[in-house]
Amino acid sequence: TQLLEQSPQFLSIQEGENLTVYCNSSSVFSSLQWYRQEPGEGPVLLVTVVTGGEVKKLKRLTFQFGDARKDSSLHITAAQPGDTGLYLCAGAVRSGNTPLVFGKGTRLSVIA
Amino acid sequence: NAGVTQTPKFQVLKTGQSMTLQCAQDMNHNSMYWYRQDPGMGLRLIYYSASEGTTDKGEVPNGYNVSRLNKREFSLRLESAAPSQTSVYFCASRRSGPDFGEQYFGPGTRLTVT
Repeated sequence: TQLLEQSPQFLSIQEGENLTVYCNSSSVFSSLQWYRQEPGEGPVLLVTVVTGGEVKKLKRLTFQFGDARKDSSLHITAAQPGDTGLYLCAGAVRSGNTPLVFGKGTRLSVIA
Repeated sequence: NAGVTQTPKFQVLKTGQSMTLQCAQDMNHNSMYWYRQDPGMGLRLIYYSASEGTTDKGEVPNGYNVSRLNKREFSLRLESAAPSQTSVYFCASRRSGPDFGEQYFGPGTRLTVT
């Protein structure tokens, strides 16, 4: 069974601070996705990383896929209250119809 | 373009009652999923349907049944609700194929079983 461990589970920071969220596994994934979920809504895709070592940037968010494709990180620069939410990583074992494996999430609260 | 829709949004049941959660997607996706989300437990897969006419168990299928009515619709049924099934239920869909498509989620159904 593939598992994705996310850390930290909870994070509360002040506006303007930087933070990093980690997603780790002992298994190799073909790709890894990051989702953000706001209260009362379903998760929404932020990014998909496919190649080992890949780095993608989305405004103040930087996503990295580990060289061995077993881990990923999300770094937020100068966090804003609008970044508040639950961040979920999800791994694909292979393409096609195999369900994604989800981590339990990191709940981020950015205080103004 | 509505994406993934779920009904109802809220439901309160008494122990032993039954109900069906409805889900529909208009993106012509082959794969559809039902998850439950509980505090500290993340998203747990209940059942999924890789294509019309097929369904498979996920991580926590006990107490649930599903029907893939057609390509658009995937329903989740609780035959005899239990308090342990109090949760937020999400339906999702994703295209299948050689790439790694985005998974689209519905807004969720908040179910309380008393």
